[in-house]
Amino acid sequence: SYDLTQPPSVSVSPGQTASISCSGDKLEDRYVCWYQQKPGQSPVVVIYQDSKRPSGIPERFSGSNSGNTATLTISGTQAMDEADYYCQAWDSSTVVFGGGTKLTVL
Amino acid sequence: EVRLVESGGGLVQPGGSLRLSCAASGFTFSTYLMHWVRQAPGKGLVWVSRIKSDGSSTNYADSVKGRFTISRDIAKNTLYLQMSSLRADDTAVYYCAREGHFSGEGFDIWGQGTMVTVSS
Repeated sequence: SYDLTQPPSVSVSPGQTASISCSGDKLEDRYVCWYQQKPGQSPVVVIYQDSKRPSGIPERFSGSNSGNTATLTISGTQAMDEADYYCQAWDSSTVVFGGGTKLTVL
Repeated sequence: EVRLVESGGGLVQPGGSLRLSCAASGFTFSTYLMHWVRQAPGKGLVWVSRIKSDGSSTNYADSVKGRFTISRDIAKNTLYLQMSSLRADDTAVYYCAREGHFSGEGFDIWGQGTMVTVSS
């Protein structure tokens, strides 16, 4: 089975740039999506097809995917961005999620 | 408004069965691939199952294969997850999610989730 690995936690100061990584074997060969989940809420897609933002997602969210690592970058991080973030990819006809990263804005 | 609403969760004893439903509205349900994703308390998202738009093909995570069955009723715009031989580690919030039409679009719509607790 295919595995995606994320750091359990990332901390960032308000206004700074946060980067969350997602690692998997030859990940660049697969599309990666990123989801934001706040406590008590359902996940929301913030990046799809590696680097595209759905309508309504702020421009400060961006994504990239190269080699074995996909990265979610949040520029000018705001307090409202504090949440859990999950990467997701496809493995043939199944779906894989990373373990999730808790982003703390302090 | 595009919406997914899950129901059917609850408390069930180990070895028991439960059927979850996910009512879709605001979009053409019959044209979308649909999924179930679960999240144990305090844990991460775990993919459970998917079904093609016409119901012709289904896939399952190894952890539920042979115990869970995904299905859909196009006429009722409803997705189902029949769960049997339930175990304590099936305890989770279960979300239904819509996958976008194009490759790599991901899960663009999620329901609010329904809680399943497996305990004696």
